[in-house]
Amino acid sequence: SAVISQKPSRDICQRGTSLTIQCQVDSQVTMMFWYRQQPGQSLTLIATANQGSEATYESGFVIDKFPISRPNLTFSTLTVSNMSPEDSSIYLCSVEDVGFQETQYFGPGTRLLVL
Amino acid sequence: AQTVTQSQPEMSVQEAETVTLSCTYDTSESDYYLFWYKQPPSRQMILVIRQEAYKQQNATENRFSVNFQKAAKSFSLKISDSQLGDAAMYFCAYRQGGSEKLVFGKGTKLTVNP
Repeated sequence: SAVISQKPSRDICQRGTSLTIQCQVDSQVTMMFWYRQQPGQSLTLIATANQGSEATYESGFVIDKFPISRPNLTFSTLTVSNMSPEDSSIYLCSVEDVGFQETQYFGPGTRLLVL
Repeated sequence: AQTVTQSQPEMSVQEAETVTLSCTYDTSESDYYLFWYKQPPSRQMILVIRQEAYKQQNATENRFSVNFQKAAKSFSLKISDSQLGDAAMYFCAYRQGGSEKLVFGKGTKLTVNP
């Protein structure tokens, strides 16, 4: 399976600021995904990012709040904009397995605390 | 919309014993995939096992196996010879064929007692 890294691993931010999270994969992948995991909760898909096209957002998530870039087949960023304490969560990126495209593998996550 | 239900918020097992985690799902589709992921305190989501709906044979991965009951829409995970390192949150997930979206259950926290 692909090796996925995320930066930063954790951060503490002030409300009203923005944070950009990076996701790097060690192989070329078509689909990359961004999830949010609020404290004590399950994972919720934020958006799907394909290289060369606009990200597709799930209901309840908008581009102005969570802009996503996908400049190439191994990298993506998620920005959490104008943060509030409600944005405190773990943010995870995932990729589809090349051999089993129905299967997603996850990065280690970014733990965000907004004060 | 598809939903995934994990009815056991917490479970515990003695080391070396066997434990079964429950998962049910709701779908009208015939083409789909089911997964169990493990999330230890390090928060890394780790794929434990996957099952294609069209396969009748239950998936196994070493000490991990599933009981896939398609008619009952049930997908339980059995962990044999439990180890301390198995302690984690376990999430059941569903993916419809042709869709990229994974739908997760709320998770079951597994404690392994020495």
